Amino acid sequence: KNQVEQSPQSLIILEGKNCTLQCNYTVSPFSNLRWYKQDTGRGPVSLTIMTFSENTKSNGRYTATLDADTKQSSLHITASQLSDSASYICVVSDRGSTLGRLYFGRGTQLTVWP
Amino acid sequence: EADIYQTPRYLVIGTGKKITLECSQTMGHDKMYWYQQDPGMELHLIHYSYGVNSTEKGDLSSESTVSRIRTEHFPLTLESARPSHTSQYLCASSDRGGTEAFFGQGTRLTVV
Repeated sequence: KNQVEQSPQSLIILEGKNCTLQCNYTVSPFSNLRWYKQDTGRGPVSLTIMTFSENTKSNGRYTATLDADTKQSSLHITASQLSDSASYICVVSDRGSTLGRLYFGRGTQLTVWP
Repeated sequence: EADIYQTPRYLVIGTGKKITLECSQTMGHDKMYWYQQDPGMELHLIHYSYGVNSTEKGDLSSESTVSRIRTEHFPLTLESARPSHTSQYLCASSDRGGTEAFFGQGTRLTVV
């Protein structure tokens, strides 16, 4: 069964600190992995996307890594800001069908305190 | 910024009413999706479409229906709303290769 597991479920950090969010998946055959940021009551917004051959991708203070062998990904946030408070969702796409299905993790709820 | 729009953003209706949630995208994407998301929970796929006149049910059983008469438009209809339909509904689209996927802002539906 294709699954995406994220940890931790929730995280509280102080402004200016770094943090790392984890994503493990069993989706196969793998196509790509995305990290999304979802503010409360809004739609998810894409942060990074990585294909099989990519093992790191940065977007400002966000850096995602991918280990396709162990089927693990991480999202590292540097020098956190209050506006980083949101849910971060790992989404894996397969290529086993014409659709390219998207499989979602439950997300990590990040809270940044001043 | 993604060109995918959902209306309305918020909707409160009475039980038994028929409603249609609108979703439009101007990116020419073939694939479109509807997801249901309860607070603090993951997104569940309820409908998807490969293209015009193509619709399929997703993983989560839903009493809603969809149509895809035009590429840019993918409305979702509930014939008779119930309190159990209270949730956030998110529409998304992606290009044929699946490398781009964008979400709308969502419709928060409350059935009283």
